[in-house]
Amino acid sequence: KNEVEQSPQNLTAQEGEFITINCSYSVGISALHWLQQHPGGGIVSLFMLSSGKKKHGRLIATINIQEKHSSLHITASHPRDSAVYICAVYDRGSNYQLIWGAGTKLIIKP
Amino acid sequence: AAGVIQSPRHLIKEKRETATLKCYPIPRHDTVYWYQQGPGQDPQFLISFYEKMQSDKGSIPDRFSAQQFSDYHSELNMSSLELGDSALYFCASSQLTSNTQYFGPGTRLTVL
Repeated sequence: KNEVEQSPQNLTAQEGEFITINCSYSVGISALHWLQQHPGGGIVSLFMLSSGKKKHGRLIATINIQEKHSSLHITASHPRDSAVYICAVYDRGSNYQLIWGAGTKLIIKP
Repeated sequence: AAGVIQSPRHLIKEKRETATLKCYPIPRHDTVYWYQQGPGQDPQFLISFYEKMQSDKGSIPDRFSAQQFSDYHSELNMSSLELGDSALYFCASSQLTSNTQYFGPGTRLTVL
């Protein structure tokens, strides 16, 4: 079983739809990172969370530490949101190494 | 704001050649991490440095070595390159006190 699991693996939606990507983890963490990787390969950090909820523009990230679960939401999705979204956690048990989820490939169709 | 800089952005080498990748962290960041991401794979942690000393080691092959210099930039040296070394190599930097890693744009290495 992977320590960080994301769902869905692939998601195709129409422009304007509300998007939810889920992340569950099994290790003790200090924080969770949501990252975005575009087709060219570059990785951009979206959020780092240790509790509660954060919002930036059309992106919202939530985390429930007790349930070891986080969600990334995109409101009013747009084709430029098409990317791979990666959940990664800082593992307290391994000197805060970043453990990566497999990523969710999101395609937003116009 | 200044970001993590990696050079070169693209590199093509032949089998058995050597390659050196460079990473310049965000100013005042003291920790550097190297990751390797093969085609269609998750990034794999290779190695990290804090204050010019190796702080953690992941799945870095013996053919690779890395170091962090006095100005905190880091170099990943790769020798006897193999086809399987073709990948995106990411560098990230952080301040030890915060743990948040900021990623560079990556170096795409192609081994022919």
